[in-house]
Amino acid sequence: EAGVAQSPRYKIIEKRQSVAFWCNPISGHATLYWYQQILGQGPKLLIQFQNNGVVDDSQLPKDRFSAERLKGVDSTLKIQPAKLEDSAVYLCASSSRVVEKLFFGSGTQLSVL
Amino acid sequence: GQQLNQSPQSMFIQEGEDVSMNCTSSSIFNTWLWYKQDPGEGPVLLIALYKAGELTSNGRLTAQFGITRKDSFLNISASIPSDVGIYFCAGLVTTSGTYKYIFGTGTRLKVLA
Repeated sequence: EAGVAQSPRYKIIEKRQSVAFWCNPISGHATLYWYQQILGQGPKLLIQFQNNGVVDDSQLPKDRFSAERLKGVDSTLKIQPAKLEDSAVYLCASSSRVVEKLFFGSGTQLSVL
Repeated sequence: GQQLNQSPQSMFIQEGEDVSMNCTSSSIFNTWLWYKQDPGEGPVLLIALYKAGELTSNGRLTAQFGITRKDSFLNISASIPSDVGIYFCAGLVTTSGTYKYIFGTGTRLKVLA
């Protein structure tokens, strides 16, 4: 069974530029999550989707971050414009149901210069 | 907000030694997950716990769901060099009818051969 796929693996941008990350969850998983992991910290939930609807986006900085999951499968996370403090690893995870185990992708490491 | 405190933050141990780490909170959790993260990779699920008092093993790893539902413990027996990494706990909480996982700050394990 294929795992959670994320791309790109690495991205370097300058502040005020835009960036987008892509995630393809495990087949059949209805719930998809985006987490931000700053160096030395645990993952922090940014947004949670159930199929193509948003369940929780309370921690998403909506003035610069946006995410969508239009067909209930793939998802994209965008940052526009990026700030220095956005440098982090962005992890995508999926689960078959909200209360089930999370499975993570390898993440996208973002460096904002 | 809800927080998970992991301890110790880091530890050096000799190969062959047993390791214990824990995760505590002031909040009650419905599920505990334990993950291991290697550098440059996403967290990999080790053990899932669903009931207070539950004790579950996965090879040399054993985890327990605390009776108060506010803590969890992970033990690694006879550590080997490949156990090096960061171990995260994650607890499932309910907020306003929404379920989400909160992650701890991690325990960094280094094994000396």
